[in-house]
Amino acid sequence: NAGVTQTPKFRVLKTGQSMTLLCAQDMNHEYMYWYRQDPGMGLRLIHYSVGEGTTAKGEVPDGYNVSRLKKQNFLLGLESAAPSQTSVYFCASERGDTQYFGPGTRLTVL
Amino acid sequence: GENVEQHPSTLSVQEGDSAVIKCTYSDSASNYFPWYKQELGKGPQLIIDIRSNVGEKKDQRIAVTLNKTAKHFSLHITETQPEDSAVYFCAASPNKLVFGAGTILRVKS
Repeated sequence: NAGVTQTPKFRVLKTGQSMTLLCAQDMNHEYMYWYRQDPGMGLRLIHYSVGEGTTAKGEVPDGYNVSRLKKQNFLLGLESAAPSQTSVYFCASERGDTQYFGPGTRLTVL
Repeated sequence: GENVEQHPSTLSVQEGDSAVIKCTYSDSASNYFPWYKQELGKGPQLIIDIRSNVGEKKDQRIAVTLNKTAKHFSLHITETQPEDSAVYFCAASPNKLVFGAGTILRVKS
């Protein structure tokens, strides 16, 4: 089992550019999450999904969109990147109450 | 909504000493309290959790205590080792996890 994987690992964008972060899990979990991690602020929930075809907003959803077309994949999109979106992004899937995190994507927006 | 505060933000201990990290939460509906460890360059990993119907839980050198009345819970690591050096996050869940800001633990050998 690969667990939760994220691509890419690193990315640098210019303000206004768009990109998609991909999260994949091979554990057949229904619930999946996208977080951002910023210094001194812990992990903040951006969006989540309770199953294929569903998405919901978390604590900090503005500027992001998500899609869950397949159960194993959860995509996070930035339509027009801003410097405030410079962060480390983590995806997680959940079984029971335990969340399993991917290795993260470090995104810098110039 | 839920708010979780975590202290201290950094903690340095000598190898073999104990380390204690404390968290407080605001929502009395929270009933699940996990602790995650994040090593450098990796995603967080669950190390221990406790539910609201239990006051204490222990797993080898790690223990967690919960005081529902005071709305606080703590992580205790005994006999610390260099490999315990990491960032530790507490979280509370009324329905979705809300994380504390994290504690950087450094174990000096």
